[in-house]
Amino acid sequence: DVVLTQTPVSLSVTLGDQASISCRSSQSLVYSDGNTYLKWYLQKPGQSPQLLIYEVSNRFSGVPDRFIGSGSGTDFTLKISRVEPEDLGVYYCFQATHDPLTFGSGTKLEIK
Amino acid sequence: EVQLVESGGGLVQPGSSLKLSCVASGFTFSNYGMNWIRQAPKKGLEWIALIYYDSSNKYYADSVKGRFTISRDNSKNTLYLEMNSLRSEDTAMYYCATISGFWGPGTMVTVSS
Repeated sequence: DVVLTQTPVSLSVTLGDQASISCRSSQSLVYSDGNTYLKWYLQKPGQSPQLLIYEVSNRFSGVPDRFIGSGSGTDFTLKISRVEPEDLGVYYCFQATHDPLTFGSGTKLEIK
Repeated sequence: EVQLVESGGGLVQPGSSLKLSCVASGFTFSNYGMNWIRQAPKKGLEWIALIYYDSSNKYYADSVKGRFTISRDNSKNTLYLEMNSLRSEDTAMYYCATISGFWGPGTMVTVSS
């Protein structure tokens, strides 16, 4: 199974600063069709997860441009510039390239 | 507006069965693959099953393979998860989610004697 290793486990950020989360895969996430099915989700306290980024770098509808996904192959990063109070929660990467599909273990973002 | 509403959760004994439903609205349900994903209390997310838009393919996590069955009825805009031989470790919030990224609020399943 593909293991997604997220670092750091938790992150404390001052409002207005940048946050960066890494997601490393145990296998390449490039699918046979050439696409890379790596997503980023945010689960705010008490809510269902919400999609932020799909296929590495595409922002989902309504997601602010402060959220930037990047990477390729096995190494991926989510950057949040100018962190705002509503950004707190747990961030998960998720791969849908290989069966079984898998999530990273999550990164908890706290506001200082 | 896309809406997914799960139902069917509850408190059940180990070894018993339960069937979850997820009713979809606000989009063309028959065009989209669907997932079930669960989250044990205070834990991370675990993908458990995927079904293609036309039910032609189904995939399962090893933790539920042989015990859980995903299915759908496109005429009713409804996704199902039939769960058999339930164990305490199946206790979790169960979410349905489209492959395009929309999630429901979840339904809680508690397996306990």
